[in-house]
Amino acid sequence: GENVEQHPSTLSVQEGDSAVIKCTYSDSASNYFPWYKQELGKGPQLIIDIRSNVGEKKDQRIAVTLNKTAKHFSLHITETQPEDSAVYFCAATPGGMFSGGYNKLIFGAGTRLAVHP
Amino acid sequence: DGGITQSPKYLFRKEGQNVTLSCEQNLNHDAMYWYRQDPGQGLRLIYYSQIVNDFQKGDIAEGYSVSREKKESFPLTVTSAQKNPTAFYLCASRSQGAYEQYFGPGTRLTVT
Repeated sequence: GENVEQHPSTLSVQEGDSAVIKCTYSDSASNYFPWYKQELGKGPQLIIDIRSNVGEKKDQRIAVTLNKTAKHFSLHITETQPEDSAVYFCAATPGGMFSGGYNKLIFGAGTRLAVHP
Repeated sequence: DGGITQSPKYLFRKEGQNVTLSCEQNLNHDAMYWYRQDPGQGLRLIYYSQIVNDFQKGDIAEGYSVSREKKESFPLTVTSAQKNPTAFYLCASRSQGAYEQYFGPGTRLTVT
């Protein structure tokens, strides 16, 4: 089955620096890759996603890149701010979205990002 | 005010008791999901439902049961057969034909 590995498990940066979180997946049929931000005691919030027909997507300070050949995708946060501190999760869709009824997500283990003022 | 609600936020139970967690959405989404989150781990899928009166087991369904009698509701029962029930439980939903899954605020269940 699909396996998603996420690195690093913890990341500490100074305010204003960039942060990069990387994920690899095993199922070459996966075609949807969301990123979630989870603050303490709350549910995950979808912050950006990318589909397999796109190599890069950007939304203000957040960007995601996808390398289908290498089966890895990354989250880039520029000009980090203290409010970016949270746990970030990547996910992938085994078998591809809408393929054979599969529409579930397999999550990475998460990255705890700390942005220091 | 649209969204996904889960109640209660905190739940305490004695070992050997069944407990039901509530999940309601007013987004008119067809698909609903239950995930379990343990410290230091990613979310793992327990059950999912694509339409009313239909649901499928996820990766860790043992010791859990669900029902989907209404489109807006997808309650999860944690039975006494679940060996390690203490966890943070998250409900999510998705619109038919869309990719995005949206999560509720979660219920933290503690069993002693």
